Amino acid sequence: QQQVKQSPQSLIVQKGGISIINCAYENTAFDYFPWYQQFPGKGPALLIAIRPDVSEKKEGRFTISFNKSAKQFSLHIMDSQPGDSATYFCAATSGSARQLTFGSGTQLTVLP
Amino acid sequence: SQTIHQWPATLVQPVGSPLSLECTVEGTSNPNLYWYRQAAGRGLQLLFYSIGIGQISSEVPQNLSASRPQDRQFILSSKKLLLSDSGFYLCAWNKGRFAGNTIYFGEGSWLTVV
Repeated sequence: QQQVKQSPQSLIVQKGGISIINCAYENTAFDYFPWYQQFPGKGPALLIAIRPDVSEKKEGRFTISFNKSAKQFSLHIMDSQPGDSATYFCAATSGSARQLTFGSGTQLTVLP
Repeated sequence: SQTIHQWPATLVQPVGSPLSLECTVEGTSNPNLYWYRQAAGRGLQLLFYSIGIGQISSEVPQNLSASRPQDRQFILSSKKLLLSDSGFYLCAWNKGRFAGNTIYFGEGSWLTVV
């Protein structure tokens, strides 16, 4: 049972464009929503995260928008750069051990 | 600063052979520890997590097992590997209960079962 659904599976954007990745969750016990960036052959690295009591968080070119009532959240990458080409995972945290449930990932390609 | 070490980085094992992947975290104490698996081109699946020495929780029934013999050491094992065990295995940690949400990943171990 996939508890965090992510779309699209792949995304191609021109340099300078906006990349948008969407996620939806079902489990209302989730209480922390991070996004991870993964380059080929490497472990995922935390990019940005949000708590459900906040509707938006911005860090540089990266913004998370969060809609608690719809149980949806999204990542916006402004002014996308070729160096942003990577796989992006949304995730949700629950439980006393803070274990992560991941979405299926989005492979982003930014064309020069 | 905290660092996580995971080894071996790559290995090729025959079907039916045993497996041992090891992970250690430095610069922190009482971390939560996790093992994730990522199949080729797929998402990350939580296999095991541990909130303390000897305390292991399993998320997915399979022929893998995990152990935590020391506070900052986490081991993933199998007695007999299957072809379906191939994948990218990632150890991860966070600062432990009540100490934050961020989970940090190691560099991973590529396992190919042939």
